[in-house]
Amino acid sequence: AQSVTQPDIHITVSEGASLELRCNYSYGATPYLFWYVQSPGQGLQLLLKYFSGDTLVQGIKGFEAEFKRSQSSFNLRKPSVHWSDAAEYFCAVAVGATNKLIFGTGTLLAVQP
Amino acid sequence: AAGVIQSPRHLIKEKRETATLKCYPIPRHDTVYWYQQGPGQDPQFLISFYEKMQSDKGSIPDRFSAQQFSDYHSELNMSSLELGDSALYFCASSSRTAGGNTIYFGEGSWLTVV
Repeated sequence: AQSVTQPDIHITVSEGASLELRCNYSYGATPYLFWYVQSPGQGLQLLLKYFSGDTLVQGIKGFEAEFKRSQSSFNLRKPSVHWSDAAEYFCAVAVGATNKLIFGTGTLLAVQP
Repeated sequence: AAGVIQSPRHLIKEKRETATLKCYPIPRHDTVYWYQQGPGQDPQFLISFYEKMQSDKGSIPDRFSAQQFSDYHSELNMSSLELGDSALYFCASSSRTAGGNTIYFGEGSWLTVV
């Protein structure tokens, strides 16, 4: 069955520090992978996506993610975190003919001053 | 750029009442999805429509129904509301015919059942 695993439920980093959020997926076909960010009480904003090609993808707000097929991973990174990055981050895979999204359980990011 | 529009943004209903959520997809998007996000949960897929026909179904209760209209807007109807239906309901859209696989989400509709 298709699934997405985000092993870190909660991460705290200091402002200015680097960040890596982990995501592993299980899907038989070539995956379409996404990272979304959700601030409290807000909607889901697309950070970046991977469909094919270059395995390192750049997104908005200085985020990037690297697709590693051998590890079934799509980890999100940012070299220097800002206080405004505090939010919940969801990794998702699009499955089936309708490309519906299967989400991971999310990682809640806290940023210390 | 135009985004996915959802209404109402907030509504409060009593148990056993009915609620209707509306979604206006991004112009020229042919696919609409509905998701439910409970408190502290990840979004769960409910149902999708492509060109006004139901295209996929997820964990949508029988008390819920949805449709997509000729102008591509969609409505999610929820009857016999239960306390457990309290959640954030997202609508999302994409354009399959344009070869797009990116799904864009609206801001969500908060439903509170009391």
